[in-house]
Amino acid sequence: DVKVTQSSRYLVKRTGEKVFLECVQDMDHENMFWYRQDPGLGLRLIYFSYDVKMKEKGDIPEGYSVSREKKERFSLILESASTNQTSMYLCASSFGTDLAKNIQYFGAGTRLSVL
Amino acid sequence: GQNIDQPTEMTATEGAIVQINCTYQTSGFNGLFWYQQHAGEAPTFLSYNVLDGLEEKGRFSSFLSRSKGYSYLLLKELQMKDSASYLCALLDSNYQLIWGAGTKLIIKP
Repeated sequence: DVKVTQSSRYLVKRTGEKVFLECVQDMDHENMFWYRQDPGLGLRLIYFSYDVKMKEKGDIPEGYSVSREKKERFSLILESASTNQTSMYLCASSFGTDLAKNIQYFGAGTRLSVL
Repeated sequence: GQNIDQPTEMTATEGAIVQINCTYQTSGFNGLFWYQQHAGEAPTFLSYNVLDGLEEKGRFSSFLSRSKGYSYLLLKELQMKDSASYLCALLDSNYQLIWGAGTKLIIKP
């Protein structure tokens, strides 16, 4: 079974703190993604990566950055957390360069509260 | 632009059949996915349609009409464990997923 592991299920941080969300996958997937999920909205793509040290902006990259130093690990960084970044963050991974029918496998999510 | 619509919430009875609709507007289309997400858990893949017609997989089936911009997920013989949110997602011309807000399905005994 594919396993995508997010380091924390719940996090509480203060405004202005630097926050690291970690995601590890164990299936040697090339592609990794970070989404946020808010009530009443679909998943929104923050950043994605198709290879080590490669990153691409998604639909809502402002206030976030990412790091992919190793194939299995994709980190999301909030440089200076703000209250509007309170959300559920979901990491996903998928296999290969054939992007059609590219099933994404998700982690269980990190619920971040910024106070 | 791109837009996906699905009902916010539906209620059905254990043992019955329910159809969850998803309509979309897009300039480019490379397929449509359905995912299931139980409360507090990861979304998990259910189905993928790229050609018109019905794809059946056990109790779950998914239908696509590209000309109408329409898909549905059909769940038969509903079980209590089917209580979850069902997410419709469109694969656009850039092979990026555009997600609907999800339909929360409540199953009553």
